[in-house]
Amino acid sequence: GQSLEQPSEVTAVEGAIVQINCTYQTSGFYGLSWYQQHDGGAPTFLSYNGLDGLEETGRFSSFLSRSDSYGYLLLQELQMKDSASYFCALCGYSTLTFGKGTMLLVSP
Amino acid sequence: KAGVTQTPRYLIKTRGQQVTLSCSPISGHRSVSWYQQTPGQGLQFLFEYFSETQRNKGNFPGRFSGRQFSNSRSEMNVSTLELGDSALYLCASSEGLGTEAFFGQGTRLTVV
Repeated sequence: GQSLEQPSEVTAVEGAIVQINCTYQTSGFYGLSWYQQHDGGAPTFLSYNGLDGLEETGRFSSFLSRSDSYGYLLLQELQMKDSASYFCALCGYSTLTFGKGTMLLVSP
Repeated sequence: KAGVTQTPRYLIKTRGQQVTLSCSPISGHRSVSWYQQTPGQGLQFLFEYFSETQRNKGNFPGRFSGRQFSNSRSEMNVSTLELGDSALYLCASSEGLGTEAFFGQGTRLTVV
């Protein structure tokens, strides 16, 4: 089967940089995605890594290393609105397998 | 372009009843997936449909079923409801393989 591990909670202050790590076990996958979910809201797509390396989208960057079974999401210039849960997900043929999520708390 | 629409948003059912949830994907998206989200188990994959065919199914009992219509709209059904079925049921649509999935707001099901 597939499994993903990510920290349950991360705290940071406004303006700081935070990194959310994700390690995984799988026999095969197409890529690693990241989703953001605010309390009571729908998960929204943030980033996708199909190849090893860094992908940058504005304040968010995501990294994948297949050899290390590891990825991370980097959030820069944190804002209060970034307080949310962040999920890494393994992208399969027709499925997404999600980690349990990391709750990010941004304080002033 | 309209997003993914799920109806109803909230539902309260009694143990033993059955329920049908509906999902209208983004126009042009042929893949529809369903997920169950609970505080303890997180987001768990239920099944995925593409062009009316179920391509993949998660590890859920047979009480959970679904279908997709020719217009890509999808329904999922849960029969003989149990208290443990209380959850947020999320539908996601995409153009197909991998990458970006667009989620609806979900249906919050409470079984009493």
